[in-house]
Amino acid sequence: DVKVTQSSRYLVKRTGEKVFLECVQDMDHENMFWYRQDPGLGLRLIYFSYDVKMKEKGDIPEGYSVSREKKERFSLILESASTNQTSMYLCASSFWKGSTEAFFGQGTRLTVV
Amino acid sequence: GESVGLHLPTLSVQEGDNSIINCAYSNSASDYFIWYKQESGKGPQFIIDIRSNMDKRQGQRVTVLLNKTVKHLSLQIAATQPGDSAVYFCAENGDNFNKFYFGSGTKLNVKP
Repeated sequence: DVKVTQSSRYLVKRTGEKVFLECVQDMDHENMFWYRQDPGLGLRLIYFSYDVKMKEKGDIPEGYSVSREKKERFSLILESASTNQTSMYLCASSFWKGSTEAFFGQGTRLTVV
Repeated sequence: GESVGLHLPTLSVQEGDNSIINCAYSNSASDYFIWYKQESGKGPQFIIDIRSNMDKRQGQRVTVLLNKTVKHLSLQIAATQPGDSAVYFCAENGDNFNKFYFGSGTKLNVKP
């Protein structure tokens, strides 16, 4: 089974802190994604990566950056956390460009106080 | 951005009945449409996809229908079971092969 693992299930951070969310997949997938999920808004794409050291902005990249130094790991960075970044963050991976089946992690509930 | 919406935020059905979850999309250039299921406390899970050159695709107890004329997508679940209780999302890839736009979701409640 494909496994996408997010490092934390719940996180509480203070405004202004630098926050790292880590995601690891074990199936040698090329694509990795970070979404945030908010009630009534569905899943919104923050960033995605289709190869090591490659990244592309999604629909809401402001306030976030990403890092992909190894194929299996994709990190989301909140440079200076703000309360409007309180949300559920979901990492996903898929085999290759254009794959319709993405495999999601269990999510990280981030609260910024 | 893309607009992928759902007609009903919550759907309640009796166990054993068929369920129909609807979705409207806005980008006629979308090539693929996908349905995901998200159970409480878990990440979304792929159910089924359909390419734009098809109007129907069947899986195990699920059928997806695509009506490009009215930009409408539906997911039919046969003989709904308690384990089908979840939030269902539709998604489309717009005009970018690697990006998928998700709707806001429909919560399906299955009554015993």
